[in-house]
Amino acid sequence: QKEVEQNSGPLSVPEGAIASLNCTYSDRGSQSFFWYRQYSGKSPELIMSIYSNGDKEDGRFTAQLNKASQYVSLLIRDSQPSDSATYLCAVTGGTYKYIFGTGTRLKVLA
Amino acid sequence: GAVVSQHPSWVICKSGTSVKIECRSLDFQATTMFWYRQFPKQSLMLMATSNEGSKATYEQGVEKDKFLINHASLTLSTLTVTSAHPEDSSFYICSANDRLEDQPQHFGDGTRLSIL
Repeated sequence: QKEVEQNSGPLSVPEGAIASLNCTYSDRGSQSFFWYRQYSGKSPELIMSIYSNGDKEDGRFTAQLNKASQYVSLLIRDSQPSDSATYLCAVTGGTYKYIFGTGTRLKVLA
Repeated sequence: GAVVSQHPSWVICKSGTSVKIECRSLDFQATTMFWYRQFPKQSLMLMATSNEGSKATYEQGVEKDKFLINHASLTLSTLTVTSAHPEDSSFYICSANDRLEDQPQHFGDGTRLSIL
């Protein structure tokens, strides 16, 4: 059974701080990794995709992938109250199908 | 780019009614579309994978006669919930892959279905 695990949270951080979200996966053959943000009652919105080991930065967001340790993380710098949402980690292993984590709820406190 | 439109956004209907939900890729061609269901405070559950011109592939435990999927073109997939009952009430979300880009999936805005 292929699994993707995330801490459900909530993860609370003060405004302006760095939020660190983590995700581990069980399938060593996983090839593509995605972070989505989902506001309550809304559908997921793509934040970042990462395919190779290392860091990938996009504005305030940095995705980090370590295939040897089977984890992927998302850092949010200068966190804002508008970043408060559930963050979903999704992993694929060569097919189009996603395996989603259960999501981490982030609260940014003003 | 990569916009997926889903319609309707909200449906309230009586038990026994069949409901059709449309998913369109507006600015790209989608060889594959996905249908998910999400219950409150839970993650997305994949129901089926829809491939243009062929039968959908349903996940284990999803009744294919209950949830009819048609992917007639590279830009349109439909999900019909047949003879809906209150337990079918949920948030249904479609997503699509860009034909020129295997991944990631782009999500529609979702359809909130309430069966009375």
